[in-house]
Amino acid sequence: GESVGLHLPTLSVQEGDNSIINCAYSNSASDYFIWYKQESGKGPQFIIDIRSNMDKRQGQRVTVLLNKTVKHLSLQIAATQPGDSAVYFCAENMGDSWGKFQFGAGTQVVVTP
Amino acid sequence: SAVISQKPSRDICQRGTSLTIQCQVDSQVTMMFWYRQQPGQSLTLIATANQGSEATYESGFVIDKFPISRPNLTFSTLTVSNMSPEDSSIYLCSVVGEDGEKLFFGSGTQLSVL
Repeated sequence: GESVGLHLPTLSVQEGDNSIINCAYSNSASDYFIWYKQESGKGPQFIIDIRSNMDKRQGQRVTVLLNKTVKHLSLQIAATQPGDSAVYFCAENMGDSWGKFQFGAGTQVVVTP
Repeated sequence: SAVISQKPSRDICQRGTSLTIQCQVDSQVTMMFWYRQQPGQSLTLIATANQGSEATYESGFVIDKFPISRPNLTFSTLTVSNMSPEDSSIYLCSVVGEDGEKLFFGSGTQLSVL
């Protein structure tokens, strides 16, 4: 989702359910993407990445899907746990240099028991 | 991934003063970056800290306001100069991992300007 002003979109998920977090990116030339998890008071933590020559990549309990046609990324979290409660950001490589990323607005995930 | 340490972790400062944030990495890294995260917002790249040369700033950020040092391949500082309440943010140091792709972050410096 997209954020407006200071209010992050929130995804409320019941423990044990699957979560899907969406992100629209801006640059069709971006060739590398990362999903980050940020817990309160901490820096962003790397979750999973994907290159533009792939449309799906799986990790432990997480899957990233890339749709280059519509410039869309999604992060799927299987069997969501209370520890998954955090803000999730997608980031696209800015293309002109490694390490320079443009971040999405972020989605707050709240896991309820 | 590299271990990135930032100091201070948080600070409360008076307007008009300056704060220098330190970033120490446990291994030599070629590429080091500083990001800002304003309250409730996403991350914005401030600059690339280049070893042995002047930092490269992104649009909207200038050296006079955010001077950066990079004396070696494991250390960098970011100074927030002449602070105003609008500078209240989390400032994050980041490095590219050994694979040359993944970007890793320190724990950040929470800055509040009164």
